[in-house]
Amino acid sequence: GAVVSQHPSWVICKSGTSVKIECRSLDFQATTMFWYRQFPKQSLMLMATSNEGSKATYEQGVEKDKFLINHASLTLSTLTVTSAHPEDSSFYICSASPAAKNIQYFGAGTRLSVL
Amino acid sequence: SQQGEEDPQALSIQEGENATMNCSYKTSINNLQWYRQNSGRGLVHLILIRSNEREKHSGRLRVTLDTSKKSSSLLITASRAADTASYFCATDVYNTDKLIFGTGTRLQVFP
Repeated sequence: GAVVSQHPSWVICKSGTSVKIECRSLDFQATTMFWYRQFPKQSLMLMATSNEGSKATYEQGVEKDKFLINHASLTLSTLTVTSAHPEDSSFYICSASPAAKNIQYFGAGTRLSVL
Repeated sequence: SQQGEEDPQALSIQEGENATMNCSYKTSINNLQWYRQNSGRGLVHLILIRSNEREKHSGRLRVTLDTSKKSSSLLITASRAADTASYFCATDVYNTDKLIFGTGTRLQVFP
């Protein structure tokens, strides 16, 4: 099956710093990747759709200057949480979908703790 | 919100019993999927059922879809302790690659 790698799996940072999370599709090309945020015991909320070679599409209420997304190649998308604050602490998950498939393959997630 | 509702929110059963989870959604769909999430991990795709299908099986999983009621159910037969996880339904969004996830059911299977 298709494999998506997400790194790091866990990060602790000080308030005001920026954190970059990487999402890689290891055995397929993904023109589209997705970034989700998940609070404890809740569902996934889509933050943005990352499009290779173009700007990301953000969901309503998600600050694009806060959550910078770069999709520079067909196998890599990055999410940078800029000037992180404690309220940004959450579980961030990426997913990717091979072309012409409805199924999304997920990374293992990144737990961000901002002190 | 377009988010689907799942019930029950939490379910505890003994090994060997069957577990049934239900999902209701709000918009027309092309397909509905079920995913599983172990605690603190990413999601794993379980099964996809298309809007013109009524029932689908995969191993111990059985999924039904009733588009007239905008609802789906996931049945796990002969459950095992390893089935302990959260289960989410997800529906496609018209003319996009996006998925909308349901609220999830937390399943606990006791050995």
